[in-house]
Amino acid sequence: DTAVSQTPKYLVTQMGNDKSIKCEQNLGHDTMYWYKQDSKKFLKIMFSYNNKELIINETVPNRFSPKSPDKAHLNLHINSLELGDSAVYFCASSPHSGGQYFGPGTRLTVT
Amino acid sequence: GIQVEQSPPDLILQEGANSTLRCNFSDSVNNLQWFHQNPWGQLINLFYIPSGTKQNGRLSATTVATERYSLLYISSSQTTDSGVYFCAVDLNTGANSKLTFGKGITLSVRP
Repeated sequence: DTAVSQTPKYLVTQMGNDKSIKCEQNLGHDTMYWYKQDSKKFLKIMFSYNNKELIINETVPNRFSPKSPDKAHLNLHINSLELGDSAVYFCASSPHSGGQYFGPGTRLTVT
Repeated sequence: GIQVEQSPPDLILQEGANSTLRCNFSDSVNNLQWFHQNPWGQLINLFYIPSGTKQNGRLSATTVATERYSLLYISSSQTTDSGVYFCAVDLNTGANSKLTFGKGITLSVRP
């Protein structure tokens, strides 16, 4: 299946822990993104990468560190997790021609 | 930054009814997308429609870029249409692309 995939789908962890979310796309797109959806369902961009280079960083705390080993992968590492980090995190990718394609989301719960 | 307003915020329909969802935006855009977030949290691409009209089955969308609005039409609604409908816009293209989302319209279709 051609798609944007994320792992894990659910992540429950305690405050202070470090965790990672992985994203892969096999659509051949050059640009990948991380978005955060809060408890009120508001979606906001966090980062974008183009061909492994950081393009957009929307004033996200530096506890969040994206890493792109190649243009098909964009992982999100979060240090020292806080209660306010609980949200759904979506990965997306886009071709040059436009439009963004979203992964299934990762629901992160920090207790 | 660009403002995206969606209306109405909530909508309840009887199965079989038609509806129109509206998205207003405050600046010229290079990209506009409509998404459906189903009750399981998946974000499904409905339309990539920076201008003009497109149809896909019971759904159609029209964007009038010069007047800064887009409409999503749902005809003969079904219970599976329930969920949140998001409009998202982008001022940029290519590597600098990032979507700004509206707050969403929550649709409930009653059997």
